[in-house]
Amino acid sequence: LAKTTQPISMDSYEGQEVNITCSHNNIATNDYITWYQQFPSQGPRFIIQGYKTKVTNEVASLFIPADRKSSTLSLPRVSLSDTAVYYCLVLNDMRFGAGTRLTVKP
Amino acid sequence: ETGVTQTPRHLVMGMTNKKSLKCEQHLGHNAMYWYKQSAKKPLELMFVYSLEERVENNSVPSRFSPECPNSSHLFLHLHTLQPEDSALYLCASSLGTSNNEQFFGPGTRLTVL
Repeated sequence: LAKTTQPISMDSYEGQEVNITCSHNNIATNDYITWYQQFPSQGPRFIIQGYKTKVTNEVASLFIPADRKSSTLSLPRVSLSDTAVYYCLVLNDMRFGAGTRLTVKP
Repeated sequence: ETGVTQTPRHLVMGMTNKKSLKCEQHLGHNAMYWYKQSAKKPLELMFVYSLEERVENNSVPSRFSPECPNSSHLFLHLHTLQPEDSALYLCASSLGTSNNEQFFGPGTRLTVL
């Protein structure tokens, strides 16, 4: 079983900011947190990875509190093409959970 | 282009057939993985290879047989499969097995009749 818990689904509208939170209560000291995006019938694609505090790249931001028992993926100004399943992964585990199915509406 | 290729992209086979899935990575990675993704289910980790040695096998039935002849190639040999084995089979690679981003191939859509 994966070591992470996420909401099953979320809805949003174009142009909004979307925040998806993942719980990983049993994260180990040497575990990194990674988020992937998957479109139907395709392999997952890396979005962002972090260990603590905040990480930002051209696609998203990742917020990790001091206790590291959760993390939040933030997608700024989503578009219809961001409709996908988003997975939170504790990297040493290599096991994907159910993910969060994000639907962006016009 | 992800640097990880899989062939074939689609495969239909009978329960008595023997077939193989092929994965190739051009990224210089040392770890390779097979995942299974059934309809509306999470990805299931099947096998992990690090430097051509199998390091993890998650209770996968023996009708699935992996082979890693070198760090760039990974095969999944299939024989006497069941209809419930129909799924998307994804290959991935990473630099190592600890805290490394995985790069996924496009997958092979397998249908067992």
